[in-house]
Amino acid sequence: NAGVTQTPKFQVLKTGQSMTLQCAQDMNHEYMSWYRQDPGMGLRLIHYSVGAGITDQGEVPNGYNVSRSTTEDFPLRLLSAAPSQTSVYFCASSYSTASEQFFGPGTRLTVL
Amino acid sequence: DQQVKQNSPSLSVQEGRISILNCDYTNSMFDYFLWYKKYPAEGPTFLISISSIKDKNEDGRFTVFLNKSAKHLSLHIVPSQPGDSAVYFCAARGTSGTYKYIFGTGTRLKVLA
Repeated sequence: NAGVTQTPKFQVLKTGQSMTLQCAQDMNHEYMSWYRQDPGMGLRLIHYSVGAGITDQGEVPNGYNVSRSTTEDFPLRLLSAAPSQTSVYFCASSYSTASEQFFGPGTRLTVL
Repeated sequence: DQQVKQNSPSLSVQEGRISILNCDYTNSMFDYFLWYKKYPAEGPTFLISISSIKDKNEDGRFTVFLNKSAKHLSLHIVPSQPGDSAVYFCAARGTSGTYKYIFGTGTRLKVLA
């Protein structure tokens, strides 16, 4: 099992550009989520999904879109990148709402 | 408003001694708590969890204690090893049955050889 994979590992964008962060898991988990980690802020939930076709907002959803067309994939779209979105992004998946989350290795995004 | 707080940004402990990491929360509806460990340039990895119906859970060198009346949980690592040096996050489930987890800001543990 590859677990949770994220691409790219690093990305630099200019303000106003759009991009998609990819996340895939091969554990057949229904539950997936996206977090951002900023210094002194811990991990903050952006969006999450409880199954294919179902997504919902977390703590900091503004500026991000998600979709869940398959169980395996949960891409995160930045519509118009802003410097405030400079962060490390983690995708996670889990078997249930009360089980451990498996995290991907992260994507480090810089917006200039 | 930070609902899950880790008030100690860092902690240094001698190898072989006990490490105690603390976490406070404000929402009495939180019903499931987890601890994760994170090394630099890696994603967090799960350590141990506890349900609100328990007050203690052990897994090898790791023990989590939950004090619901004080809205406080702690992670004990005994004995501490240099490989335990990492950032530790506590997380709480928003409300029962949901998938919304709130994370603390993390505590950086350094175990000195």
